Amino acid sequence: GAVVSQHPSRVICKSGTSVKIECRSLDFQATTMFWYRQFPKQSLMLMATSNEGSKATYEQGVEKDKFLINHASLTLSTLTVTSAHPEDSSFYICSAIGDNRKLFFGSGTQLSVL
Amino acid sequence: GIQVEQSPPDLILQEGANSTLRCNFSDSVNNLQWFHQNPWGQLINLFYIPSGTKQNGRLSATTVATERYSLLYISSSQTTDSGVYFCAATKSSGDKLTFGTGTRLAVRP
Repeated sequence: GAVVSQHPSRVICKSGTSVKIECRSLDFQATTMFWYRQFPKQSLMLMATSNEGSKATYEQGVEKDKFLINHASLTLSTLTVTSAHPEDSSFYICSAIGDNRKLFFGSGTQLSVL
Repeated sequence: GIQVEQSPPDLILQEGANSTLRCNFSDSVNNLQWFHQNPWGQLINLFYIPSGTKQNGRLSATTVATERYSLLYISSSQTTDSGVYFCAATKSSGDKLTFGTGTRLAVRP
């Protein structure tokens, strides 16, 4: 199978601080990973495509200086929410393409900014 | 970009009932997948099905690419089937999955 691990599952932070979320592919190599954001009872919105060894590609309207993505190895991508504000509170989910073009997801991170 | 719409938006079933969920997409696709998001937020890949029919246990899916829709069938539903079902598609000239609006399913015991 294709297992994607995401950590932490839940984080509470103060406004102005930075939060790092890790996404790991455990049993396969992922040259590309995706970061999504999901608001309550809504669909998934693609934030950025993370490419191993190169810069991430951000979707329109996503601030690249606020949501820093690093994909330094074939099994790890990180998303750092910098200078967090309450409006950044959301459910963040990472994913990677596994066998036969199927997309596999991490378990998600619930971010609450006070 | 491609538009992906799902119906119905909400569905309540009695345990043991069957159901059909629909996904319409606005463009030709080379990638279509169905996912189940459980109440804790975990998304599970159910099917990769850009065309044709597949079955996995009580679930099956059919995509009619020429008519731009896909169907997910759930038979003999169980309470553990509750959650949100998403379809996602990539247009033939694109490379990113676009997620549909989802169908929220509640299966009552």
